Amino acid sequence: NAGVTQTPKFRVLKTGQSMTLLCAQDMNHEYMYWYRQDPGMGLRLIHYSVGEGTTAKGEVPDGYNVSRLKKQNFLLGLESAAPSQTSVYFCASSRDRGRVAADGYTFGSGTRLTVV
Amino acid sequence: DQQVKQNSPSLSVQEGRISILNCDYTNSMFDYFLWYKKYPAEGPTFLISISSIKDKNEDGRFTVFLNKSAKHLSLHIVPSQPGDSAVYFCAAHPRHGSSNTGKLIFGQGTTLQVKP
Repeated sequence: NAGVTQTPKFRVLKTGQSMTLLCAQDMNHEYMYWYRQDPGMGLRLIHYSVGEGTTAKGEVPDGYNVSRLKKQNFLLGLESAAPSQTSVYFCASSRDRGRVAADGYTFGSGTRLTVV
Repeated sequence: DQQVKQNSPSLSVQEGRISILNCDYTNSMFDYFLWYKKYPAEGPTFLISISSIKDKNEDGRFTVFLNKSAKHLSLHIVPSQPGDSAVYFCAAHPRHGSSNTGKLIFGQGTTLQVKP
């Protein structure tokens, strides 16, 4: 039972480069989320999806795009990386809104991204 | 504006004693509050939650207290163990009308160190 798997685990990018972070879950969850964690800022929501084919903006969406073509996958893209996007990125999933309130999310182990 | 705040970045406690982690919120429209625990190089894991209609919830060594009039919640760990050393995040689940997004708003986190 893998849960939520994030790839890659580490990446160093140069300013202006692009990349895609992959999140895959095997729990048949409807809801998926991308958060970033920065020192002193906690976890901030970037984008989220409430089902296959749907996406929506979170608290800090600028500079990122997402896609949810398959229910099990949620991709986070950086089109032109900036040093301000240096962060640890976490993907999370939940079966539905009711389960979020009662049991919370299942998180992946994170992707540490450095933009130089 | 930070809707969920953890004002203590760190806490150090002796093994066997009580750990009290605090969290304040500004929005009265949250219906659930959750606590997450995070070890280095891992994703956050769900610990315990409480509904806004309750003032206490227990699960083993962990108890969460909610004071709605003060917009304050706290997590008590009794007795504290060295394995409890981690970063603890509180999170709040907004009460929505017809919108089912399951978004969580996180605090900045508190690093707990339990000394043997």
